[in-house]
Amino acid sequence: KQEVTQIPAALSVPEGENLVLNCSFTDSAIYNLQWFRQDPGKGLTSLLLIQSSQREQTSGRLNASLDKSSGRSTLYIAASQPGDSATYLCAVGAPSGNTGKLIFGQGTTLQVKP
Amino acid sequence: DVKVTQSSRYLVKRTGEKVFLECVQDMDHENMFWYRQDPGLGLRLIYFSYDVKMKEKGDIPEGYSVSREKKERFSLILESASTNQTSMYLCASEPGQASNQPQHFGDGTRLSIL
Repeated sequence: KQEVTQIPAALSVPEGENLVLNCSFTDSAIYNLQWFRQDPGKGLTSLLLIQSSQREQTSGRLNASLDKSSGRSTLYIAASQPGDSATYLCAVGAPSGNTGKLIFGQGTTLQVKP
Repeated sequence: DVKVTQSSRYLVKRTGEKVFLECVQDMDHENMFWYRQDPGLGLRLIYFSYDVKMKEKGDIPEGYSVSREKKERFSLILESASTNQTSMYLCASEPGQASNQPQHFGDGTRLSIL
């Protein structure tokens, strides 16, 4: 059974720091890996999707990498800002019939202090 | 932009009531999902649907049913609400597995069962 783990559970950094969030998964047979952001009391916003054949994806100050063989993904945030404060969730897409079921980690709650 | 709309942000119901949570997406997506999110347990998949009138059980379907009569609408039904169904419920949609596109989430419904 696929399990997804995110470490650390919480992180507090000063503004301007570069930081890395970690995600690990137990079964390398994945369809894709997705990173989401969740603000308090809100739904999830998609940040990046890495297909199983890809190694990384970039969007602005965000870069996500994928290493299927070791079961790891990282989300790199450059020059962090207070507006980046949120919970970041990674999810692994596991093929299931006609849909890609997502299995989520528990998230990393990030606080960026001004 | 994809819009996933959940009918209520907050809902309070009584034990034993039949509860309907509605979700509508406006991008002609094939696949739709219902999750619940609980502290310490993360997001867990309740049911999903890959076509009109088609549904599949997720990881925690007990106590729930779903309805998809039209492509854009996916309803979650609590047949007889119980206090352990107090939770944040999130609906999501995606174009289809072959598209390898991210899931889009609604803002969630915070449901309290008294």
